[in-house]
Amino acid sequence: DAKTTQPTSMDCAEGRAANLPCNHSTISGNEYVYWYRQIHSQGPQYIIHGLKNNETNEMASLIITEDRKSSTLILPHATLRDTAVYYCIVRELHQGAQKLVFGQGTRLTINP
Amino acid sequence: GAVVSQHPSRVICKSGTSVKIECRSLDFQATTMFWYRQFPKKSLMLMATSNEGSKATYEQGVEKDKFLINHASLTLSTLTVTSAHPEDSSFYICSATKASQGAFFGQGTRLTVV
Repeated sequence: DAKTTQPTSMDCAEGRAANLPCNHSTISGNEYVYWYRQIHSQGPQYIIHGLKNNETNEMASLIITEDRKSSTLILPHATLRDTAVYYCIVRELHQGAQKLVFGQGTRLTINP
Repeated sequence: GAVVSQHPSRVICKSGTSVKIECRSLDFQATTMFWYRQFPKKSLMLMATSNEGSKATYEQGVEKDKFLINHASLTLSTLTVTSAHPEDSSFYICSATKASQGAFFGQGTRLTVV
């Protein structure tokens, strides 16, 4: 079972910041928070991951609360192409293969 | 990022026939790949773990004789849906992990059984 809960859907205006929350209250100390997104009829795309510090890359920022029980993915300037289902996943970072357990995700719609 | 390629991207087959789907890691070697299935408006569900040179590991409720997995090389895993039926129609997705970079997904294969 997925260890995360996310809102089913969200809307955001184009050009505004999209803030997607995720609850992972049972996360353990060695588990990372990963975010992927899936645009319709495509495979999931990696966005960002983090352990406890906030992270930023060219796609997004990840804010993790101090107790690590929740996090927020921020798309700073959303575009229409950011419309997708966003998945928050927690797992251990092993050297080996990564089996990912997907929850239901958040369907983000960017409106013009 | 790394590239994982699936083929075909779309296939239509007759009920009772078998269909093979290929998953290739194009620029890295993957001793383990994963196969997922996704129904419309649903999330991805892990079907099995494909291990190079050994038997695949199937998730509970997934029929191993129905979904044959072969991982004959470090860059190729295949999923064969045997004796396909309309209820097997779905979106099948594979993933492979590149060391220190994480999991990368194929573009998916949409299977329609008529």
